[in-house]
Amino acid sequence: GPKVLQIPSHQIIDMGQMVTLNCDPVSNHLYFYWYKQILGQQMEFLVNFYNGKVMEKSKLFKDQFSVERPDGSYFTLKIQPTALEDSAVYFCASSLAGAGNTLYFGEGSRLIVV
Amino acid sequence: GEQVEQLPSILRVQEGSSASINCTYENSASNYFPWYKQEPGENPKLIIDIRSNMERKQTQGLIVLLDKKAKRFSLHITDTQPGDSAMYFCAASGGTQVVGQLTFGRGTRLQVYA
Repeated sequence: GPKVLQIPSHQIIDMGQMVTLNCDPVSNHLYFYWYKQILGQQMEFLVNFYNGKVMEKSKLFKDQFSVERPDGSYFTLKIQPTALEDSAVYFCASSLAGAGNTLYFGEGSRLIVV
Repeated sequence: GEQVEQLPSILRVQEGSSASINCTYENSASNYFPWYKQEPGENPKLIIDIRSNMERKQTQGLIVLLDKKAKRFSLHITDTQPGDSAMYFCAASGGTQVVGQLTFGRGTRLQVYA
């Protein structure tokens, strides 16, 4: 099936540093998402992105978070500066169209902030 | 927004029997209800979904039911096998959303034993 690729698969960084998580969505998809999953819990919506803009974001999407997708490159989630509570698995997802369309998830990026 | 409740959190069934997971949602405008299966260390994978114009959908040993009046939907796995052991998440989206933000339930850990 359609594949969403995420880089890195895991990263350990010191609190206060910056981290960028990269996502290569399904090639013809237009909508992109980031979800956060703490171990043993459900995925929680962070942000969605369409046509170069953030469409919606949740209260988990703190001021330290930002997303972008420069033309032809990765859809990225940047956290600057990181905090201990940012430790989680971050899943990127994409969909062909908007509401009511299937989301395909990447393998996740496990972030550990120490 | 949307809130999704999912029960049970843990479900142990004997191989060959059926397993049922139930979810409720709050936003009567939600119209898309996917189910994801997530194995340890992997990404969530869509296994079946149902839209609000249907009450029942069946595919390959999976049945989903949707009761819009009660704002309840459920997943039934018939003839469970050890390979069905995983975390299962229900989700809901749609309504007034423009982009396909999914709200997930807390997950059900299904354990199929011989």
